[in-house]
Amino acid sequence: SQQGEEDPQALSIQEGENATMNCSYKTSINNLQWYRQNSGRGLVHLILIRSNEREKHSGRLRVTLDTSKKSSSLLITASRAADTASYFCATDMIKAAGNKLTFGGGTRVLVKP
Amino acid sequence: DAGVTQSPTHLIKTRGQQVTLRCSPKSGHDTVSWYQQALGQGPQFIFQYYEEEERQRGNFPDRFSGHQFPNYSSELNVNALLLGDSALYLCASSWGTGAQAGYTFGSGTRLTVV
Repeated sequence: SQQGEEDPQALSIQEGENATMNCSYKTSINNLQWYRQNSGRGLVHLILIRSNEREKHSGRLRVTLDTSKKSSSLLITASRAADTASYFCATDMIKAAGNKLTFGGGTRVLVKP
Repeated sequence: DAGVTQSPTHLIKTRGQQVTLRCSPKSGHDTVSWYQQALGQGPQFIFQYYEEEERQRGNFPDRFSGHQFPNYSSELNVNALLLGDSALYLCASSWGTGAQAGYTFGSGTRLTVV
């Protein structure tokens, strides 16, 4: 079963606009990660935010985490055509016996030139 | 610096056959995890290997098995293939739990079962 649920499922914007996508999850986490996937290829790690952090920036990316609401958001500022991809949030629950990422269904972003 | 390498990139198998997928982790990484991604969905965790042992497993039947070698590379084996096993299989490596820097994913193996 999928832990995270992304919203919206699809997003279409013009180049230069900002793109915001949200992720909700169900159980306690150690950290939450965002990944990008181009055309069904491998996933690229974008950013990791720990459960005790509320906001994190990396270049044009801004991630927030609200553990009380069990939700996170990813903001891509000044989008480019190259940002066209699927974006996935994944929660990480680390146990003594190892850990695993639990992914949501993804948000498909189309940036039109 | 080589990332995660998966082979083969594409594979077509017949229902009932067996398949082996291979993964070489990123240099310096000691943990390998496998994921199955059906078309249009998010990846689903299959299992994780560390120190040549399966450390954690997702909700996949015993037809799915794996192995990790002393050089940290890994194999995913699927027996008695079903049409529903058609998917992109992703290998991800990390140092330990990946809690510091996340995971590095390979480009995947696209398996088609006919």
